Amino acid sequence: QKEVEQDPGPLSVPEGAIVSLNCTYSNSAFQYFMWYRQYSRKGPELLMYTYSSGNKEDGRFTAQVDKSSKYISLFIRDSQPSDSATYLCAMSAAGYGNNRLAFGKGNQVVVIP
Amino acid sequence: ETGVTQTPRHLVMGMTNKKSLKCEQHLGHNAMYWYKQSAKKPLELMFVYNFKEQTENNSVPSRFSPECPNSSHLFLHLHTLQPEDSALYLCASSQEDRGGTDTQYFGPGTRLTVL
Repeated sequence: QKEVEQDPGPLSVPEGAIVSLNCTYSNSAFQYFMWYRQYSRKGPELLMYTYSSGNKEDGRFTAQVDKSSKYISLFIRDSQPSDSATYLCAMSAAGYGNNRLAFGKGNQVVVIP
Repeated sequence: ETGVTQTPRHLVMGMTNKKSLKCEQHLGHNAMYWYKQSAKKPLELMFVYNFKEQTENNSVPSRFSPECPNSSHLFLHLHTLQPEDSALYLCASSQEDRGGTDTQYFGPGTRLTVL
């Protein structure tokens, strides 16, 4: 079983729709959960960063973590063509020295005007 | 310059060449990383440096040789590469302390093509 599973897509949605992305994981030691956005020919940029279970909202973006199900989600409301990118989930265990991130394969999203 | 910078942005090399990739972080972080990103695969961690000491080497072939002269600079020396080494090479940095790990911040990457 892979450590982090993420359906690579691609996912095409019309402008204004809600985009829903998710990842599952197997390592119960993971405590930190991140979503990165990567535009074509660019490096990943941090989008959302959450610790443990719960929801976090930042503008049109909402990240959810359900540790009991080992499942994380990212929602993009009122999607825009500028949201077209690859979205990578990443996670790590807690504690000093545990700075290894486990990544999903990335989910390509296309928002159609 | 801000964030994490990488040079060159694009590199084409033959299998017998020797080249180096450079990374510089302007965030005051104490940990730096090299990743390989290939199509349809998760990011692969290659090397980790904490406080300039290499703490992880994920079974990377010896044709890749990292160097971390100080906490702001990281190099990846390349020699006798194979065509399957063609990929996007990403550098990242983070702040590692007793309280845990901050997240990682990435550079724009070097797109490497091995002929």
